[in-house]
Amino acid sequence: SSELTQDPAVSVALGQTVRITCQGDSLRSHYASWYQQKPGQAPILVIYGKNNRPSGIPDRFSGSSSGNTASLTITGAQAEDEADYYCNSRDSSGDHRVFATGTKVTVL
Amino acid sequence: QVQLQESGPGLVKPSGTLSLTCAVSGGSISTSNWWTWVRQPPGKGLEWIGEIYHSGSTNYNPSLKSRVAISVDKFTNQFSLKLTSVAAADTAMYYCARDQRVVGQDAFDIWGQGTMVTVSS
Repeated sequence: SSELTQDPAVSVALGQTVRITCQGDSLRSHYASWYQQKPGQAPILVIYGKNNRPSGIPDRFSGSSSGNTASLTITGAQAEDEADYYCNSRDSSGDHRVFATGTKVTVL
Repeated sequence: QVQLQESGPGLVKPSGTLSLTCAVSGGSISTSNWWTWVRQPPGKGLEWIGEIYHSGSTNYNPSLKSRVAISVDKFTNQFSLKLTSVAAADTAMYYCARDQRVVGQDAFDIWGQGTMVTVSS
């Protein structure tokens, strides 16, 4: 079983804001990174560290963390943001990486 | 820019060994980054398999550790995955990725396109 958990699915109206959360004890000590995956494609990194976006990622994507919960927020969701989103961090030992179960985001 | 490309057999027999290679182009494998394998069974989520540093240091998913070996070849700028005693549950898309190591802000910033491996007789 994964040490990180996410809600299986969320939906958001076009142009509205959606927050995707990732929970796990290891998040009290380690940052999460977030990945977007569209059908038939490899994942891409959208947020890492405290709140860093790789080049080319729109600024409507942001990250935050509090306690054992990391969050990815999409402010003003677009149709192209419909995808699966996965968080990743370290496990409780700190030696290994672990992915959460993923959240399917539907843009209505 | 750095690009990754997986290669290897798309079909492996049960109880056999899965062997994949990831070619790194556009940059050296001998940097401060680690190099990672991730897999995704059809219709399921991502699973971290393990990682390697150019020195040969490795870390593996505890659930796969007894069957996994990751190696690096600095001369050909490649790293490889071997998974032994495979079963149908090992059928998945296998990705290689670069794990950028910025203090406390690790992330898989570059991914290969993935290669599908099916375990079947």
